[in-house]
Amino acid sequence: GAGVSQSPSNKVTEKGKDVELRCDPISGHTALYWYRQSLGQGLEFLIYFQGNSAPDKSGLPSDRFSAERTGGSVSTLTIQRTQQEDSAVYLCASSLSRSAEKLFFGSGTQLSVL
Amino acid sequence: AQKITQTQPGMFVQEKEAVTLDCTYDTSDQSYGLFWYKQPSSGEMIFLIYQGSYDEQNATEGRYSLNFQKARKSANLVISASQLGDSAMYFCAMRLSAGGTSYGKLTFGQGTILTVHP
Repeated sequence: GAGVSQSPSNKVTEKGKDVELRCDPISGHTALYWYRQSLGQGLEFLIYFQGNSAPDKSGLPSDRFSAERTGGSVSTLTIQRTQQEDSAVYLCASSLSRSAEKLFFGSGTQLSVL
Repeated sequence: AQKITQTQPGMFVQEKEAVTLDCTYDTSDQSYGLFWYKQPSSGEMIFLIYQGSYDEQNATEGRYSLNFQKARKSANLVISASQLGDSAMYFCAMRLSAGGTSYGKLTFGQGTILTVHP
């Protein structure tokens, strides 16, 4: 498809388990973003990748959260030792560059930590 | 640091009427972009409109227009001729356009829920 693809669409896990969320950006997009949206809340910035530059990790809430982007394309957000407060929708977005006008969002991964 | 404020948690409008959703921002940078996104109940984020800080004219996209008042640091979204399908959450966002450690990062407001009545 031509859009940003995220998988899985839904993930239910037990407290303490690790989870990996995947994002396939639009081909050719150099900028990739992860956001978190809790129920009824706005979007909380997590991390941002731009080309080969060091990622902006300033939004990661704790050291249990990490992300990587391999080959400038696919990105994986990893949450270790999940907690109930990690339950949220995790949204990925990409854009042609960090100055591009449009960000294209994926449909998100709904994470539920029991 | 950048900050986006949407002071209207919820708004109601009659079908076919116009509605304005408020957004104010705070930044010391001169070069930035302002965005509006729509999020229907399905959860997808839909890009609506973009305004650059140096754009002299207000951005328009179909029924959407952005009332950009730079001195007041406001970027209100105007939806004309509201439709039932416009019922959704609306987010205002800002991104710095040049330099600095925050270059590229999009900062969102808390959102406004718009309900269009028939």
